[in-house]
Amino acid sequence: EVQLVESGGGLVQPGRSLRLSCTTSGFTLGDYAMNWVRQAPGKGLEWVGIIRSKAYSGTTEYAASVKGRFTISRDDSKSIAYLLMSSLKTEDTAVYYCTRASDPEYYYYAMDVWGQGTTVTVSS
Amino acid sequence: DIHLTQSPSFLSASVGDRVTITCRASQGISSSLAWYQQKPGKAPKLLIYAASTLQSGVPSRFSGSGSGTEFTLTLSSLQPEDFATYYCQQLNTYPWTFGQGTKVEIK
Repeated sequence: EVQLVESGGGLVQPGRSLRLSCTTSGFTLGDYAMNWVRQAPGKGLEWVGIIRSKAYSGTTEYAASVKGRFTISRDDSKSIAYLLMSSLKTEDTAVYYCTRASDPEYYYYAMDVWGQGTTVTVSS
Repeated sequence: DIHLTQSPSFLSASVGDRVTITCRASQGISSSLAWYQQKPGKAPKLLIYAASTLQSGVPSRFSGSGSGTEFTLTLSSLQPEDFATYYCQQLNTYPWTFGQGTKVEIK
């Protein structure tokens, strides 16, 4: 069974850093691009960023709201994707989901597998 | 950024109704659009990709159409398990963006 499990969320003060992990199983992480998507309390979905597979250079793209503060990385040998969040702001408070691209080659088609989400609360 | 506007934002319907949700893009996105369903407290679920391709395992009462700037998600006969919030997402241009959501509730 294909599964994504996020961890690392919690309460953090503004300006601090936090690293989220997305542990994958049931497929070969190295074949797929991975995304992070967040949802603030009572709000809609916001795409955070993507890391492409090594076959597509492992490069990243980010939403403007997090660019320069958030970094997505991957360790294919451990089957884990990461989201490092720095200089956190109160508006970063959200449930963070990791998602898998629906196709190894056509990673821009959709996101077909989602984790259960991990909650990040930024507050003093 | 490409802005997606869904209409309506809220929809009240009965079991068996035909329901249509529209997603309009602020600029052309070819067929690079996906639809997701989200139920309270749950992660979203992929329904449609490439504007009209049904994801494996999704009931055939769901269908998608459109290209360019205007897209629709149609539920041919609403079932009790379909009451949820629906989001469109464009994957044509970074940053990828979502519509604001359409909440479908029971009349």
